[in-house]
Amino acid sequence: QSVLTQPPSASGTPGQWVTISCSGSNSNIGTNNVNWYQHLPGTAPKLLIYTNNQRPSGVPDRFSGSKAGTSASLAISGLQSEDEADYYCAAWDDSLNGFVFGIGTKVDVL
Amino acid sequence: EVQLVESGGVVVQPGGSLRISCVASGFNFDTYSMEWVRQAPGKGLEWVSLISWRGLTTYYAESVKGRFTISRDNSKNSLYLQMNSLRTEDTALYYCAKSTHQLSLRSSVDYWGQGTLVTVSS
Repeated sequence: QSVLTQPPSASGTPGQWVTISCSGSNSNIGTNNVNWYQHLPGTAPKLLIYTNNQRPSGVPDRFSGSKAGTSASLAISGLQSEDEADYYCAAWDDSLNGFVFGIGTKVDVL
Repeated sequence: EVQLVESGGVVVQPGGSLRISCVASGFNFDTYSMEWVRQAPGKGLEWVSLISWRGLTTYYAESVKGRFTISRDNSKNSLYLQMNSLRTEDTALYYCAKSTHQLSLRSSVDYWGQGTLVTVSS
């Protein structure tokens, strides 16, 4: 059980909009930035969104992040087959004095 | 090009010790915080430890505190994780990762290695 709560799975058809939620508390998301990572099995994880809503260069603008209070969301618009992966939210936790990850959300493209 | 190459993962018995390493290239290693993140078989990502760019500040996950020690040698562009009193639940692929921002603690990580597999088993 993780400090950050994510749905275990999400799915959509090509072209659809998919959102993944990440719920935390005042000690993590409420006071610190949220980052999102994409992880395909057998590869190194990839930074998708940092500081709540910033995209690193090279990340398509189909991916967007937002944060409100103690929750954050990752949105994927125009879902593509290559978006099939596990997605993790992460944030610093002031009570634990360390980073915490969500359990990860597996996105399937139907 | 940023490269992070981990090594040192082996099979070790419960209660044993192991040091894994990460050699970095393609960026000014001594101006970035570095982290270890692991993934146990069939599980999600778990943050393990962080060290500041000069090595003066370190943080650990509760699950490894008192057993693992993170360190770095900036003259060798290398990051280390000394793991003592290993448990079966420490079995995982251990990733080395670079902080996104220079001279910053607690930021995201933007580059990851391919990982080194540590197996704790009798």
